[in-house]
Amino acid sequence: SQELEQSPQSLIVQEGKNLTINCTSSKTLYGLYWYKQKYGEGLIFLMMLQKGGEEKSHEKITAKLDEKKQQSSLHITASQPSHAGIYLCGADHDNYQLIWGAGTKLIIKP
Amino acid sequence: NAGVMQNPRHLVRRRGQEARLRCSPMKGHSHVYWYRQLPEEGLKFMVYLQKENIIDESGMPKERFSAEFPKEGPSILRIQQVVRGDSAAYFCASSPAGSGGYTFGSGTRLTVV
Repeated sequence: SQELEQSPQSLIVQEGKNLTINCTSSKTLYGLYWYKQKYGEGLIFLMMLQKGGEEKSHEKITAKLDEKKQQSSLHITASQPSHAGIYLCGADHDNYQLIWGAGTKLIIKP
Repeated sequence: NAGVMQNPRHLVRRRGQEARLRCSPMKGHSHVYWYRQLPEEGLKFMVYLQKENIIDESGMPKERFSAEFPKEGPSILRIQQVVRGDSAAYFCASSPAGSGGYTFGSGTRLTVV
């Protein structure tokens, strides 16, 4: 089984709708990074969560860390075309090697 | 604070040539990490370096790949005699210490033709 499971693999959402992406770790999470990647481009930092129960927001994107469930969720409210891309989560297992999920491809339908 | 700088952004090499990817860490960061992202896959750890030291290269192929982080200048990921399978995005991250506070660069996209 994968150390870090990201779901769903892909998501097609009507513009204006809300959506959630999940990231579940098989090991204890000491930190969780969320990045966005436009197709064929670099990584755009979204948020880093470090403490259990921590929640951060940036514009219409909110991320939470559930330490007990070893899980993080990324929630986008009122999605816009600019939100389209690939969302990646990276887990810090108290080891310098971040473990990455396979990514969630998000498509926003006008 | 310029962040982690990687160059070039895009690199095209013919099979058999050498590829050199550069990474300048954030100011004050002395730890550098290289990751590779193959098409349609997540990022995979390659190597962890501190100044003049390779701490962990367990994720780096044993042949043709090497990395360095000299006392002065950027970290270099070097791929000799590139093959088509080396085509990928290579990301560099830096941190002030060996765990946490990672900042990623924009990556270098290597295409081998």
